Amino acid sequence: AQTVTQSQPEMSVQEAETVTLSCTYDTSESNYYLFWYKQPPSRQMILVIRQEAYKQQNATENRFSVNFQKAAKSFSLKISDSQLGDTAMYFCAFMKQGSEKLVFGKGTKLTVNP
Amino acid sequence: KAGVTQTPRYLIKTRGQQVTLSCSPISGHRSVSWYQQTPGQGLQFLFEYFSETQRNKGNFPGRFSGRQFSNSRSEMNVSTLELGDSALYLCASSLLGNRFTPSGANVLTFGAGSRLTVL
Repeated sequence: AQTVTQSQPEMSVQEAETVTLSCTYDTSESNYYLFWYKQPPSRQMILVIRQEAYKQQNATENRFSVNFQKAAKSFSLKISDSQLGDTAMYFCAFMKQGSEKLVFGKGTKLTVNP
Repeated sequence: KAGVTQTPRYLIKTRGQQVTLSCSPISGHRSVSWYQQTPGQGLQFLFEYFSETQRNKGNFPGRFSGRQFSNSRSEMNVSTLELGDSALYLCASSLLGNRFTPSGANVLTFGAGSRLTVL
């Protein structure tokens, strides 16, 4: 069974600064996807970024980027130029290829302070 | 393009009752999954449906059931409600939902959830 661990229950950052959220996972699968989802107070789960395990290049989406270390089974999220709207719970998630089942970490509550 | 629609958004039930939650996926999406979110257990997978068939099921008791209709809409039912069933129930849909989907697919889009309170 796969497990996803987020070791930082809460983090805070000043507006315009950079913050990195940590995620590690455990799996015996070779082909899989990794995701970061954010869940603001409105509860809507929103996809932030996705990484295919076979790709060595780290995914980026505007201010969001990941550091994917496959051998270490690490998948951290970097948020640059933090904005107040980034305040949310952030969940790291794993999905094995060919499946629609996401395995989530416990989440990191990120607060961006003005 | 309409997103994933869940109804009702909020509901209150008492122990022993049953509840049915509905999920309408994004048009064209054929796979629908359900997740339970609680403060203690976090996000847990309930089940996934594709073409009216349950393909995958999480570790929940038989009181939790679901189904999918020919138009891909899905419902989940919880019978004999317990206090511990109080949770946010999230539905998600995905475009391909094919077990043999090539790499690059399988992005789940979530609805806003149904908040169930059991008294």
